[in-house]
Formats: sequence, C-alpha cells, structure tokens
Amino acid sequence: DSGVTQTPKHLITATGQRVTLRCSPRSGDLSVYWYQQSLDQGLQFLIQYYNGEERAKGNILERFSAQQFPDLHSELNLSSLELGDSALYFCASSIGQSNYEQYFGPGTRLTVT
Amino acid sequence: TQLLEQSPQFLSIQEGENLTVYCNSSSVFSSLQWYRQEPGEGPVLLVTVVTGGEVKKLKRLTFQFGDARKDSSLHITAAQPGDTGLYLCAGDPNAGKSTFGDGTTLTVKP
Repeated sequence: DSGVTQTPKHLITATGQRVTLRCSPRSGDLSVYWYQQSLDQGLQFLIQYYNGEERAKGNILERFSAQQFPDLHSELNLSSLELGDSALYFCASSIGQSNYEQYFGPGTRLTVT
Repeated sequence: TQLLEQSPQFLSIQEGENLTVYCNSSSVFSSLQWYRQEPGEGPVLLVTVVTGGEVKKLKRLTFQFGDARKDSSLHITAAQPGDTGLYLCAGDPNAGKSTFGDGTTLTVKP
C-alpha cells in the first residue's frame, strides 16, 4: 500500500459527460501528479500541483482541469468526454517539488461508452 | 520523439535466466527512477539513482546509472515468475515535467 488513495476505482460514463476523479496523497506529501495510461500510449504526464499551486503541465487537454485543495487532496475533472479518453488515470504524490520518488495510487479505470 | 527510450520493449525468459533492460536518453538527468507495474495497478518505486556511475542493488536486481547520467540499466539475476511486470524508468530533465519511458514488459515463465 503506497498510502495514496484514489476514488472511484471504476467509472463508466457516456460520451459528452463530465466526471471528477479524486486523489488523496500520502501523509506529508505536498506534490500531486496526474497521469493517463492508455494501452497504446504508455504513462502520460498530465499535470503537477505543489502545495495548492500548479507547478508543471504536460499533455493535458483543454477539456481536462485539475486542482489541489488546502487539505492537499486533488481532483481531476474531465469534461465533454470522448471514447478516446477511456484509460487508467493515476495519481501520484511526492514530498517536494522535484519529481524524485513518486508514490502511485491504485488508479481509476475510466470507460467512456 | 520519446525522451526516455527503453529496450527491449518485450522480453520473455525462463525462470533462472539473467536479463538486462535499458533506459537511454540524449538528455542529462539529475536522477532516474525505476518502477515496476503489474496489470491494472499503479507503478511501484524500486530505486532512485542520482550519481553518475552509481550502482544500487535490491536483492537480485542491480541498477546502474551511466557515467554521463544519460542512461541507466536494470539487471535481474536468476529471474523468478514474481519478477513479471512492466518495468518503467522515469526522470525529470527539464521544466519539471515528469517523464516516463514506455517500459519493458517482462514475462518470466516457470
């Protein structure tokens, strides 16, 4: 158990809908990262937050947004969903701003039908 | 163009064999991490290498960081079925954008 929790574990929704994925980092970690993992694209970095502020952005679509709250949990919002958004979404956390040693949650499997 | 190139992409071996997988880049990294991921689960951190030329051992796994800090290797001695999984290397060469290689899928047959 990494200490990182993610909910829900599975999510099935229709095209055009909006969903919210939730992540709680390990106790003491200030950074949260979001990743998308598809069968054909590997682990793609989406965005990083550090202590409530956006720190780095990867290949995150404009339809996607995220935030980190004062209690350090984070939410990833996915809107206007398309079939191609079906993937595993992972959250990871680390102690500091740098990307050393990230601890991953169990992931949320999103299926868009 | 992938910043971190891992090879081979797939590897299938018999229990007891030795193997080496590679993680290469044209960029210099301040550190590299290795993770193992099982199907449907999140990656699990195995090790971090920081110093050029550094060698770290984790039971039957040996990790090496290249002298120029552009590449790394993972050697497994006497592989076991429990070593089966996706091995990922990761680093942060610039602008704080976490980067993962596409991984090596290892299958160890009993």
